[in-house]
Amino acid sequence: GENVEQHPSTLSVQEGDSAVIKCTYSDSASNYFPWYKQELGKGPQLIIDIRSNVGEKKDQRIAVTLNKTAKHFSLHITETQPEDSAVYFCAAGGAGSYQLTFGKGTKLSVIP
Amino acid sequence: KAGVTQTPRYLIKTRGQQVTLSCSPISGHRSVSWYQQTPGQGLQFLFEYFSETQRNKGNFPGRFSGRQFSNSRSEMNVSTLELGDSALYLCASSLMGSGQNSPLHFGNGTRLTVT
Repeated sequence: GENVEQHPSTLSVQEGDSAVIKCTYSDSASNYFPWYKQELGKGPQLIIDIRSNVGEKKDQRIAVTLNKTAKHFSLHITETQPEDSAVYFCAAGGAGSYQLTFGKGTKLSVIP
Repeated sequence: KAGVTQTPRYLIKTRGQQVTLSCSPISGHRSVSWYQQTPGQGLQFLFEYFSETQRNKGNFPGRFSGRQFSNSRSEMNVSTLELGDSALYLCASSLMGSGQNSPLHFGNGTRLTVT
């Protein structure tokens, strides 16, 4: 089955700096890669996703890149703000599997 | 539009008991998935339902079961509870199911504690 590795497990940045979280996946059939943000006491919230026919996608301060050959994808957050502090999860899924395989999460702390 | 609603938010049960968790998906969503979240294992897939049919099941023992009703609402049941079943159980809904051009939207979960 699919295996998703996520690094780092914790990340501290100064407010205004950039944060990068990286994930690798094992199943070449995976073609859908979402990122979720989970705040304390809440469920994961989708923040951005990318499909395998796209190399990069941006939404304001958030961007995701995908390298299908190397089987890795990354989340980039620019101009970080204290409200970006949360746990971020990457995931991988494929058509027909109806499931997502999640990384173990990255706890991001933005220091004011 | 109302989000995914899970009830109850918290549950405390004793080993050996059984428990039923409920999930109401976003209106119009026909796919409901369940995930177990623990500090050690992260988010793990339990099962996915679409139009009352289970389309996929994760690697969990048969004590974990689920169903979906004609209105897309879903329930999951855990029988003969074990201490290791203590976790946050998350329900997610989508239009057609993960990977089918329809993202998953999660509820806030049910926190189950087994003593």
